[in-house]
Amino acid sequence: NAGVTQTPKFQVLKTGQSMTLQCAQDMNHEYMSWYRQDPGMGLRLIHYSVGAGITDQGEVPNGYNVSRSTTEDFPLRLLSAAPSQTSVYFCASTHPETDTQYFGPGTRLTVL
Amino acid sequence: AQTVTQSQPEMSVQEAETVTLSCTYDTSESDYYLFWYKQPPSRQMILVIRQEAYKQQNATENRFSVNFQKAAKSFSLKISDSQLGDAAMYFCAYRSWAGNTPLVFGKGTRLSVIA
Repeated sequence: NAGVTQTPKFQVLKTGQSMTLQCAQDMNHEYMSWYRQDPGMGLRLIHYSVGAGITDQGEVPNGYNVSRSTTEDFPLRLLSAAPSQTSVYFCASTHPETDTQYFGPGTRLTVL
Repeated sequence: AQTVTQSQPEMSVQEAETVTLSCTYDTSESDYYLFWYKQPPSRQMILVIRQEAYKQQNATENRFSVNFQKAAKSFSLKISDSQLGDAAMYFCAYRSWAGNTPLVFGKGTRLSVIA
C-alpha cells in the first residue's frame, strides 16, 4: 500500500511550457484533490474530484486542467506555465469514513 | 463559505515545555470535522489529530490534544513535553460533514522548538 504518490518531486519549466503532474493512490478513495502551497498562503485548492469522470474547480483553478478517468489517477495539467505558478503542489485523497485527507509528498515546481 | 484563521504566524517553545497553537473558524454548519496537520521540513503533510464536531470530548493523541470550543468556534492544539521533532508548520483545517466537500486550511503556524 503506497498511499498517495506524486511525480515528479522537482520540476523546472520555462514560461509557456506545458506539463502534467502525476498523482496516484491505491486506497480506492473516490475523493481526490490538488492544492498549491505558497509562503504565507497556506494550502489553496486548485481542483478536486468526487469520483471517476467528475471534477470541479477549487479556489484557484485558472491555468490548470484536471481529468479523472480512473479512481486511482488524478493528473494536473499546466497548460502554459507562468512564473506565478511557481509553487509546491500537493495531491491528496480522502478516506470516505473518517474524512481524513492523505497527502502525497508534493512537487516543487519552478517556472522561469 | 467556511474560513479558518490561525492568528499566530510563528511560535516558539522550549524543549519539554507546553505550547498551544490557536485556530478559529467560521461556519454556519452544525456538523463538521476539524483537523491539525503537521508539515516538517521534509514537506510531507502529516495528520496530527482529528475532531468530530458532534463529539464534546476533546481528541487526544499521545502528547497532542485539542481544546474544542464549539460555541466559540475555536480549535486549539496543545503540544505537551515539546520535542525537537515537533518543529514544523502546523495547519488547522475544516471539512463539512456533507460528503465530497473540500478541506479548508488556515495559513499555518510555524513552530520552533528551542533546545
